[in-house]
Amino acid sequence: ETGVTQTPRHLVMGMTNKKSLKCEQHLGHNAMYWYKQSAKKPLELMFVYNFKEQTENNSVPSRFSPECPNSSHLFLHLHTLQPEDSALYLCASSQDPQGGVTNEKLFFGSGTQLSVL
Amino acid sequence: SQQGEEDPQALSIQEGENATMNCSYKTSINNLQWYRQNSGRGLVHLILIRSNEREKHSGRLRVTLDTSKKSSSLLITASRAADTASYFCATGVYQFYFGTGTSLTVIP
Repeated sequence: ETGVTQTPRHLVMGMTNKKSLKCEQHLGHNAMYWYKQSAKKPLELMFVYNFKEQTENNSVPSRFSPECPNSSHLFLHLHTLQPEDSALYLCASSQDPQGGVTNEKLFFGSGTQLSVL
Repeated sequence: SQQGEEDPQALSIQEGENATMNCSYKTSINNLQWYRQNSGRGLVHLILIRSNEREKHSGRLRVTLDTSKKSSSLLITASRAADTASYFCATGVYQFYFGTGTSLTVIP
């Protein structure tokens, strides 16, 4: 148990559905991340929140919408996804010093395996 | 591309043998980290080496870093079947970027 909990573990959705992925960290960290892992591709950093503010958005399509209501919770809202969005979505957290330069290790959740039909 | 690239993509060895994986990167780094991932699960941090360090040990793990060549290696000594997993390096300054990983299979 890494202290980062993701729900649900598996999700199957149609292209017209709206769903949300949830991540909660119990480590007191101040930074949270969404990564996408597709087969045969590098992990893609999607979004970064530092001190609850979004500091990075790596050209992610608008059908993915992150929300960070507090430093312990992170959501990824999904709507009108495409089949190529099927992947393992990983949440991570870290304790980073202010200034944006990260030196600390990431703690990952177990991920949500998403299938878009 | 900012991510590190692991090499080889796949590695299969007998239990008891040593396993060596390499990572190359292109940009400046503050530190380099290695992670392990069991199939379908999240990544678990193994070891962190800072840019001013050349070698670091943790149990059966040995990591080297050559910033002039922008490369790192992870050595797992006396491998066990339980070491079967994918191994990733993570590099960067402001954020960490990962490669596609090395898939290690240790045959009992």
